[in-house]
Amino acid sequence: RKEVEQDPGPFNVPEGATVAFNCTYSNSASQSFFWYRQDCRKEPKLLMSVYSSGNEDGRFTAQLNRASQYISLLIRDSKLSDSATYLCVADTGGFKTIFGAGTRLFVKA
Amino acid sequence: DAGVIQSPRHEVTEMGQEVTLRCKPISGHDYLFWYRQTMMRGLELLIYFNNNVPIDDSGMPEDRFSAKMPNASFSTLKIQPSEPRDSAVYFCASSPGTGLNNEQFFGPGTRLTVL
Repeated sequence: RKEVEQDPGPFNVPEGATVAFNCTYSNSASQSFFWYRQDCRKEPKLLMSVYSSGNEDGRFTAQLNRASQYISLLIRDSKLSDSATYLCVADTGGFKTIFGAGTRLFVKA
Repeated sequence: DAGVIQSPRHEVTEMGQEVTLRCKPISGHDYLFWYRQTMMRGLELLIYFNNNVPIDDSGMPEDRFSAKMPNASFSTLKIQPSEPRDSAVYFCASSPGTGLNNEQFFGPGTRLTVL
């Protein structure tokens, strides 16, 4: 089993749709969680950190369920510019970070 | 702020040759990470440094790979000898510190092709 597993993509949604990505992690000692965004042939960039109480940044909402070792990302009112690969990240209880394989999102007009 | 700088951006070499990838982290960042990204395996952490000291190199695939950080502003990843299966995008990232909510800033990557 991979340490960080994500929904297989791609997700194809129309503009304005709401889309949710899921991610599970296997190391119960993990303390830090993130969502990164990676555009085609570019470097990953931090989208948002994931806090235990859940957090929201504009159209983006991240949730953490420690009991189920599950992380989610919800995107509301999808824009064409949201088309990218979304990477789920967890640490290993130390300083080492593990990236998921990524979920590709295509938002269509 | 120039961000993380990597060179070269593209490298094409022949099997058996030595390859050296270079990285300049963001000034003031204590952590430096080297990653490799392929379609098959995704983004893999190879090694990371804290204050120029290698902390975890368990991701380094084999002895052909080595990484150094002689000072706070420079790191290298060397592959000797290179093989076609080493073809990938290699990213360097730096962070002011790991733990809760510490963002890693990635460089633009080096796209390596080994023929």
